[in-house]
Amino acid sequence: DAGVIQSPRHEVTEMGQEVTLRCKPISGHNSLFWYRQTMMRGLELLIYFNNNVPIDDSGMPEDRFSAKMPNASFSTLKIQPSEPRDSAVYFCASSFQGNQETQYFGPGTRLLVL
Amino acid sequence: RKEVEQDPGPFNVPEGATVAFNCTYSNSASQSFFWYRQDCRKEPKLLMSVYSSGNEDGRFTAQLNRASQYISLLIRDSKLSDSATYLCVVSGTGGFKTIFGAGTRLFVKA
Repeated sequence: DAGVIQSPRHEVTEMGQEVTLRCKPISGHNSLFWYRQTMMRGLELLIYFNNNVPIDDSGMPEDRFSAKMPNASFSTLKIQPSEPRDSAVYFCASSFQGNQETQYFGPGTRLLVL
Repeated sequence: RKEVEQDPGPFNVPEGATVAFNCTYSNSASQSFFWYRQDCRKEPKLLMSVYSSGNEDGRFTAQLNRASQYISLLIRDSKLSDSATYLCVVSGTGGFKTIFGAGTRLFVKA
């Protein structure tokens, strides 16, 4: 079975550019999570969708970040404009239902903003 | 005080040793608890859920103490392949978002 799929796996961009990260959750999972991981701050939840609806976006750092889930099999995290401090590994995870069940993580997107 | 706190380590142990990690959480309304494992430059993966009665999976034992608000992970007979970062995870309902601890690094040496 395919796990969570993320693309791109690596992204290098210049400050000010728009970055779009993509995620395909495990089929049949109703919840999707976007996380950011850095050495300084560890793994932080950015936003959590349930049945394609954003439930908690309190972790989204600022207006430069936006996330969408147009259907059950696809989500995007967009940063516009990007800044060097956005450099991190961005993980997408999915679970069958809610945040109290096992979350399955994708391989992550390593973002470097120059 | 951080919502979920772990000793960052690193723990350096020889093969065959027993090692224990603790994790404390601040929100008494927390309902679900997990240990995840993350290898270098990889994604986190579930190691085990933690139940009130405690649970065991082979060489791994997890315990939950709600009164003192901590969870623990015990690894017996450590293997080289156990070298990784172990993340404590706490979550709940009603707007309680999932919170990962900063992780405890374990190095098992031959």
